Amino acid sequence: DLQMTQSPSSLSASVGDRVTITCQANQVINNFINWYQQKPGKAPKLLIYDASILETGVPSRFNGSGSDTHFTLTITNLQPEDFATYYCQQYGNLPRLFGPGTKVDIK
Amino acid sequence: EVHLLESGGDLVQPGGSLRLSCVASGFDFSRYAMVWVRQASGKGPEWVSTVSGSNGSTYHADSVKGRFTVSRDNSKNTVYLQMNSLRAEDSAIYYCAKVKRGFGVAVAGTCDYWGRGTLVTVSS
Repeated sequence: DLQMTQSPSSLSASVGDRVTITCQANQVINNFINWYQQKPGKAPKLLIYDASILETGVPSRFNGSGSDTHFTLTITNLQPEDFATYYCQQYGNLPRLFGPGTKVDIK
Repeated sequence: EVHLLESGGDLVQPGGSLRLSCVASGFDFSRYAMVWVRQASGKGPEWVSTVSGSNGSTYHADSVKGRFTVSRDNSKNTVYLQMNSLRAEDSAIYYCAKVKRGFGVAVAGTCDYWGRGTLVTVSS
């Protein structure tokens, strides 16, 4: 069965830091990965699709990379509004699985 | 501006039924597949169901197959989720979302607009 993992599950960082979140699939999914940001009480927000394409309106400090089974979301110059939970989601296969999430909070 | 508004969430007993609705505006509704995603408290999202733009094709996750049915009425810009035989584990916020590209179920993979969600609680 297809499984998605994310690491770390949580991290503490400061404004201005560079943060890297990893997402791994146990099957090849090419570049069919999305990254979403979710804040408490809100719906997920699309940040990146096709592993590396920035959604319109998303700041360029967000960057996605990777292919096949290993993917990375990097946030450079972390801003106060970036403290949230981040989910990867694959669409290379059914079911469309989300990762378990990475919570980024303030150090 | 794209807008999605869900309704129909409620407290229901195990074994009961609910129908969720999502009214869409701000885009050519029939050209896009639509998705229901749910999120239990403290958990990650779960992709539940997809309905194609116009040919009625659907997809349901194994966890809801045979109990939930997704449908749409393009004349009303509305997508529905009929939920039967509800279980405690179906308790979640249910979000309606627009697929970013295409109207087919097979290619539906990215959700670019989401509603605010409607809460379903299954409990006796």
